[in-house]
Amino acid sequence: KAGVTQTPRYLIKTRGQQVTLSCSPISGHRSVSWYQQTPGQGLQFLFEYFSETQRNKGNFPGRFSGRQFSNSRSEMNVSTLELGDSALYLCASSLASGLAYYNEQFFGPGTRLTVL
Amino acid sequence: GQQLNQSPQSMFIQEGEDVSMNCTSSSIFNTWLWYKQDPGEGPVLLIALYKAGELTSNGRLTAQFGITRKDSFLNISASIPSDVGIYFCAGHRTNAGKSTFGDGTTLTVKP
Repeated sequence: KAGVTQTPRYLIKTRGQQVTLSCSPISGHRSVSWYQQTPGQGLQFLFEYFSETQRNKGNFPGRFSGRQFSNSRSEMNVSTLELGDSALYLCASSLASGLAYYNEQFFGPGTRLTVL
Repeated sequence: GQQLNQSPQSMFIQEGEDVSMNCTSSSIFNTWLWYKQDPGEGPVLLIALYKAGELTSNGRLTAQFGITRKDSFLNISASIPSDVGIYFCAGHRTNAGKSTFGDGTTLTVKP
C-alpha cells in the first residue's frame, strides 16, 4: 500500500507570494491533518479535513487555508507569505477523524518551504 | 505554544546503553503517542498508549502512560546506531480532536 505523498518536496518563495501544497493520503483514509514544523515551535497543528469538511483548526492566521477533494486528496494554501512561514509542512492521514477517538496518523515526508 | 514538556532536549550516548526520555503536561490526555522522525522524513508512530498506567513494548522500546494521565515516558534498551533521530511525544484529546506534540528529543548514538 502506498504511503502518504506530498508535493512538492521543496519550494522557495519570496515574501508576499502565495503557495499551494498538496497531500495524497493513503488509499482508503478519509482524514487529512496538516502540521507546521519549525525548530523553534516544534510540530504545530494547522487543521484537519474529513470527508471534504474542515473538522478542526489550530491557532494560525487566516492566511493559512486548506481544502479536501472528494478523493480525499488535500491542499493547503498560504497567502501573503512571511519570512516566519519558512518551515516543514507535514500532512498526516488516518482512517477517520480524531474527534471520536484516536486514529493512528501516518505522516508524509513533508514539503520544505523557504520564504526569502 | 506547546503544552507538553519533553526532556531531555538532546542525548549523546554510547551504543549499547539504555535511553530514557519523558513528557509531562499540565493537562490530561486520552492517548499518549511516541514518534520517531528521521532526517527528510515525517514522524513514524512507535507506540500508542490508550489507558492510564498502561505499559507497552515494541521490541527494544517500552513506553508507559502515567497514572495521572499527564505524563509518559519512553525507554530504549541496548541502543544501536539506527536509533539515531528525533523522538517526539504527543498527547491526543478526543474532545479537541487533535494531537499536541512535544519539542522532541534528539538522540545521537556513538558506535
